[in-house]
Amino acid sequence: DTAVSQTPKYLVTQMGNDKSIKCEQNLGHDTMYWYKQDSKKFLKIMFSYNNKELIINETVPNRFSPKSPDKAHLNLHINSLELGDSAVYFCASSQDWGQGYTYEQYFGPGTRLTVT
Amino acid sequence: AQSVTQLDSHVSVSEGTPVLLRCNYSSSYSPSLFWYVQHPNKGLQLLLKYTSAATLVKGINGFEAEFKKSETSFHLTKPSAHMSDAAEYFCVVSYGSGDKLTFGTGTRLAVRP
Repeated sequence: DTAVSQTPKYLVTQMGNDKSIKCEQNLGHDTMYWYKQDSKKFLKIMFSYNNKELIINETVPNRFSPKSPDKAHLNLHINSLELGDSAVYFCASSQDWGQGYTYEQYFGPGTRLTVT
Repeated sequence: AQSVTQLDSHVSVSEGTPVLLRCNYSSSYSPSLFWYVQHPNKGLQLLLKYTSAATLVKGINGFEAEFKKSETSFHLTKPSAHMSDAAEYFCVVSYGSGDKLTFGTGTRLAVRP
């Protein structure tokens, strides 16, 4: 069974469209994350949810909106897509957040978004 | 700002020879440190982590890393490289409970036959 899964794996769309990426984890974790990996392989956190509550919201355009319907799912919706949004988006999860410990994160396989 | 520096963007070794991937962190509090590996077109996999227990950390696939506070380093090593080790490696730091993970810029490891 896949621990952290994302759909779709590839997403090709035109500028101005709205798209969503879905993420699910079956590890029983409380915390989930979205990362963006650019063309130079640099990874940066975008958002994090702990028990469905937003705990990290980096400097990301408000065209990006995460939604966590339950602890096992964290979706990413992107409005009015731009060329610069082309990247690989990774979902991740960890057992918890804070609590005096830094928990390792488990990553999904990534979604390669190409905006034309 | 707290950061992590991977000193080499590319490392090339011959199969069967040792691997050394270098990582330095900016010193402030006691960090938690991780190494992740990303094979082509794959997600990231945790190799090992340091969270203030033993300074020599053993990970999966024969990798290990040593936390050296005096040098603010956390270099990744492996005695003998395999072709399957060819991948991108990320050194990652977190400073305390509740801090996000900050990724290094990555080191691409190539393994020559």
